[in-house]
Amino acid sequence: SQKIEQNSEALNIQEGKTATLTCNYTNYSPAYLQWYRQDPGRGPVFLLLIRENEKEKRKERLKVTFDTTLKQSLFHITASQPADSATYLCALDRDSSYKLIFGSGTRLLVRP
Amino acid sequence: DGGITQSPKYLFRKEGQNVTLSCEQNLNHDAMYWYRQDPGQGLRLIYYSQIVNDFQKGDIAEGYSVSREKKESFPLTVTSAQKNPTAFYLCASSIGQGTYEQYFGPGTRLTVT
Repeated sequence: SQKIEQNSEALNIQEGKTATLTCNYTNYSPAYLQWYRQDPGRGPVFLLLIRENEKEKRKERLKVTFDTTLKQSLFHITASQPADSATYLCALDRDSSYKLIFGSGTRLLVRP
Repeated sequence: DGGITQSPKYLFRKEGQNVTLSCEQNLNHDAMYWYRQDPGQGLRLIYYSQIVNDFQKGDIAEGYSVSREKKESFPLTVTSAQKNPTAFYLCASSIGQGTYEQYFGPGTRLTVT
């Protein structure tokens, strides 16, 4: 069955460092992948979308890579700030449709 | 301001009662979705709708019902048949089919005792 895995353990880093979050998937060939940010008790907010034919996408301090051979996406936040502390979800399209499958998310804690 | 609104923020019900969660969007989006989020789990798709007067079951539709009589509105009813209804419910919308990001509402936390 299709499966998406994100590290369930929280990532705890020092302010100013680069945070790297991982999203792995199996039994799947998504056409695109999305990353969302979710704060406690709130709805997710879209951050970035990367297509299967793109290796890397950047937006300000955010960078996403997509390796279809490894079946993995990496999400980087450079020069991290305490305000970046949140849970980050990856999501992939299913069956080349607009329906998404979400990972369970990784919580990021940035210490001042 | 454009966006998605969900009401209420918190909802408490007794077991055996049906309850309807509201979702309204003014983004002129065609597609709307309902998800359920439980602690430590990803969002799971309950129902989705591509256009008005049409909707499809998602992965966990049992015990839920929806309607899409207007483009702006996609209410979700949690029926007494839903065995474990206590959860955080999220409504979302997107422009339509394709690689479009989803816009989420603030969510409704439903507690059934």
